[in-house]
Amino acid sequence: GQQLNQSPQSMFIQEGEDVSMNCTSSSIFNTWLWYKQDPGEGPVLLIALYKAGELTSNGRLTAQFGITRKDSFLNISASIPSDVGIYFCAGRTTHNSSGSARQLTFGSGTQLTVLP
Amino acid sequence: DAGVTQSPTHLIKTRGQQVTLRCSPKSGHDTVSWYQQALGQGPQFIFQYYEEEERQRGNFPDRFSGHQFPNYSSELNVNALLLGDSALYLCASSFRGSRGQTDTQYFGPGTRLTVL
Repeated sequence: GQQLNQSPQSMFIQEGEDVSMNCTSSSIFNTWLWYKQDPGEGPVLLIALYKAGELTSNGRLTAQFGITRKDSFLNISASIPSDVGIYFCAGRTTHNSSGSARQLTFGSGTQLTVLP
Repeated sequence: DAGVTQSPTHLIKTRGQQVTLRCSPKSGHDTVSWYQQALGQGPQFIFQYYEEEERQRGNFPDRFSGHQFPNYSSELNVNALLLGDSALYLCASSFRGSRGQTDTQYFGPGTRLTVL
């Protein structure tokens, strides 16, 4: 089955630093999504990417959909304490012309800790 | 505008018992997907419901079953619980509509199931 390799598994950074994390897949995805999950909560969508090569920003967050459609990265600039949490990448494919198969395949997450 | 809601928030069961988890989708959404998230892992897709039918299923045994009601809310049922079923169960809703194109999934806070 499809698998996503997300790295790094964890990061400890100083407040104000930039952060970069990425996901790679053995399969092609039509959509890449980045979610953040806080303890005791469900994942919250940060950025959605729909086209190969697409670069999208959401405030201090920037994500790119790789040209090969098998990878994506997420950058966070000027990190702040509230950036702490687990970041997940997720890929989605379309199995037929009607787009009926829309399950998400998730990476294993990057635990981000921001030190003051 | 209420987001995705799930109940209960926490649940403790013993091996062999049966459990029912509930989900109400975000207003305007017609599709519900269920995910299992083990500790330290990314969510794993269980199945997706649209128009009161199971449309897609992940690699989960028949002990996992579901239902979608006319008001789009959904239930996840797990029979003959095993210790390994202990996890956070997440519900995600999205809009599919008549075009068959599924919008981005938004997650609820999850139900924490502990099997003793």
